Amino acid sequence: DQQVKQNSPSLSVQEGRISILNCDYTNSMFDYFLWYKKYPAEGPTFLISISSIKDKNEDGRFTVFLNKSAKHLSLHIVPSQPGDSAVYFCAASARPGSGTYKYIFGTGTRLKVLA
Amino acid sequence: ETGVTQTPRHLVMGMTNKKSLKCEQHLGHNAMYWYKQSAKKPLELMFVYNFKEQTENNSVPSRFSPECPNSSHLFLHLHTLQPEDSALYLCASSQDFDRGTEAFFGQGTRLTVV
Repeated sequence: DQQVKQNSPSLSVQEGRISILNCDYTNSMFDYFLWYKKYPAEGPTFLISISSIKDKNEDGRFTVFLNKSAKHLSLHIVPSQPGDSAVYFCAASARPGSGTYKYIFGTGTRLKVLA
Repeated sequence: ETGVTQTPRHLVMGMTNKKSLKCEQHLGHNAMYWYKQSAKKPLELMFVYNFKEQTENNSVPSRFSPECPNSSHLFLHLHTLQPEDSALYLCASSQDFDRGTEAFFGQGTRLTVV
C-alpha cells in the first residue's frame, strides 16, 4: 500500500503564474514532511520541509501547507519560472519505534513551466 | 553538490557478474539509506543504517547486500541480478535526531542488467 500519494503525474503552468502540487498521506505517525525536486539523471534535491506541528512554511517563492486533519500537503510556487520545470517528490518521515527516521516518497509530479 | 557522492554514475552488468556501488558522505551524518527508483514508481526504500548498524531491511532480495563499514561510507554489493533490477540506485544520508530533518541524496547510479 502506498502511504504517500501524488495523484497528478504532471502539471503545466504558464510562467509567472502559481504552481500548486498536491500530496496525500495515510499514516498518522508521519511527523515531518518534505518536498524534493529532481532533474533527469540526478538525485533529488531538498526544497522545503514542514514539521507536523506547523501548518505553513515559507521560503522565498516556495510555500508548503499542511492540513493534518485531511492528511494533505501542498507546495505552492509563485511566481513559477521555466527553471522550476522538474519532477517534484513529496516525502513523509517518521521514526518506527526505536529505529531510525525513514523517508517515504510519493511517485512524483512532473511540472512544466511554459515560457 | 550535496555532500553525498556515489560511484559509479553508470553501471552495466551481466546477470552472473558481481559488482558494488559506493556511497560516501562528508556531512557528519549518522544515518544512511539506499533507495531504488524504477520508472513510474516511487522511490523505494531498501536499507537504513544508523551509526553503521542496519536498522531496516525493506524485504530486499538477498542478491542485494549492503555494507556500512563506518558512518561515512555505504556500499551495495550486487550479485546474480535480474534485468528487472535495472534502475537508478540512490544513496542518502541524514542526521537522525529526535525530530525530523531532511535527507540529502547523491547523484545516483544508473544500473543496467543485461
